[in-house]
Amino acid sequence: DTAVSQTPKYLVTQMGNDKSIKCEQNLGHDTMYWYKQDSKKFLKIMFSYNNKELIINETVPNRFSPKSPDKAHLNLHINSLELGDSAVYFCASSQDLYWTANTEAFFGQGTRLTVV
Amino acid sequence: KQEVTQIPAALSVPEGENLVLNCSFTDSAIYNLQWFRQDPGKGLTSLLLIQSSQREQTSGRLNASLDKSSGRSTLYIAASQPGDSATYLCAVQPTGTASKLTFGTGTRLQVTL
Repeated sequence: DTAVSQTPKYLVTQMGNDKSIKCEQNLGHDTMYWYKQDSKKFLKIMFSYNNKELIINETVPNRFSPKSPDKAHLNLHINSLELGDSAVYFCASSQDLYWTANTEAFFGQGTRLTVV
Repeated sequence: KQEVTQIPAALSVPEGENLVLNCSFTDSAIYNLQWFRQDPGKGLTSLLLIQSSQREQTSGRLNASLDKSSGRSTLYIAASQPGDSATYLCAVQPTGTASKLTFGTGTRLQVTL
C-alpha cells in the first residue's frame, strides 16, 4: 500500500534515447510534482500539476514533458536524453496546490536515471 | 529568492551521542518546514513537519525546532543509533506561491558503533 510509487527504480539508457518514468499516488491528493536530485544531492522542483493541470515549470528543457492522465498519475517523458540528465528523479504529492501550514509532501522512492 | 542551507554537510558521531542538525533559510515567509530522511539509493521519508506558528515538534527520539523570525530550524536526535545513519534534508514551503518546496543541501550523518 505504497503511497507514492515510481517505476522503474533504475533506468540505464544511451544518449539520444527517449524514456518515461511513471508515478502513481493512492493518497487522493490533488497535486503532484517531479523533483530532480543532481549529483551533489541537491533537490530541486521541476514541475507541479494540480488536477491534471500544469502549474509549475521551473525552466526545464522542453525535452522533458510531464503527462497527467488523471490526478493520481504524473508521468515524466524525456526525449533525446543527454549525459547531463543523469540524476535521481523523485515524484511527490500533496493534498493541495496552495499549502496551508499543515500540508505535507509525500515522496516516492526515486528513479535513478543513468545516461551513457 | 529563498535559499536553504544545512550545516554541517557531514557528521560522524559514536552511538549513543545526542546530536543537532542545523537548517537556515533566508526568507521567513513560509507555511511550514519539513525534515526528511534519505537513505542511500532510497526515497525521502518525512520525519517531522513544523507549522509556521509552531516552535517545535517531537517524534520519538527526534525533536525539531523552528525559529521563523531568525530563519532557523534544528533537528535534535537523542541517543543516536547506527540505524540513524542517513542524509537529513530540511525543506521549506514559501507562502503566497503554488506549492514548491525549497530544499537544503542536506547533512550526511554517520553513527558509528
